[in-house]
Amino acid sequence: GQNIDQPTEMTATEGAIVQINCTYQTSGFNGLFWYQQHAGEAPTFLSYNVLDGLEEKGRFSSFLSRSKGYSYLLLKELQMKDSASYLCAGRDSGNTPLVFGKGTRLSVIA
Amino acid sequence: GAGVSQSPRYKVAKRGQDVALRCDPISGHVSLFWYQQALGQGPEFLTYFQNEAQLDKSGLPSDRFFAERPEGSVSTLKIQRTQQEDSAVYLCASSHSVGVRNQPQHFGDGTRLSIL
Repeated sequence: GQNIDQPTEMTATEGAIVQINCTYQTSGFNGLFWYQQHAGEAPTFLSYNVLDGLEEKGRFSSFLSRSKGYSYLLLKELQMKDSASYLCAGRDSGNTPLVFGKGTRLSVIA
Repeated sequence: GAGVSQSPRYKVAKRGQDVALRCDPISGHVSLFWYQQALGQGPEFLTYFQNEAQLDKSGLPSDRFFAERPEGSVSTLKIQRTQQEDSAVYLCASSHSVGVRNQPQHFGDGTRLSIL
């Protein structure tokens, strides 16, 4: 099984950079996912890491260290529309179900 | 449509009633997942299918919950004799194929179930 931990809430200023951390404990490992979820909407896929290192996609980057059981999501040039919940999720193997953390609610303020 | 479609979007039922929630995955997606999301929490796994085969139902909270995907496409999650603790958002997700390592799951908007 897996256990996923991430902070409950964070606040950051428009235009700034914010890093959302996630730690995980797994029996197997086949990837770490980040999703964005606005209130009342579906989770939207942001990024995926299976190898150590940084994956960059525009304003969003995700980092993974398998030896430390640690990942982070980095959001640059924050915009008000980035206010949402960010879900960290791990996968044990193959195409099996995801195990989600409780989500980090990010508030972007002016 | 292009995305995962779930219906109804909202469902209100009286305690003890049966409900059925529908999920129409992205066309061609082999794997289909059901999750339950309580307010302020992350989604929690209920069950998943590969084509019509239900490979894991370990997350179903009781035998009142039943899911099927008879033709390997549309899936239905049924809850019998609903209880107030069943109130939650039920999310459906699908992904493209088995054995492709980085296939993300694509989620529908969910069905918000309220049991009175």
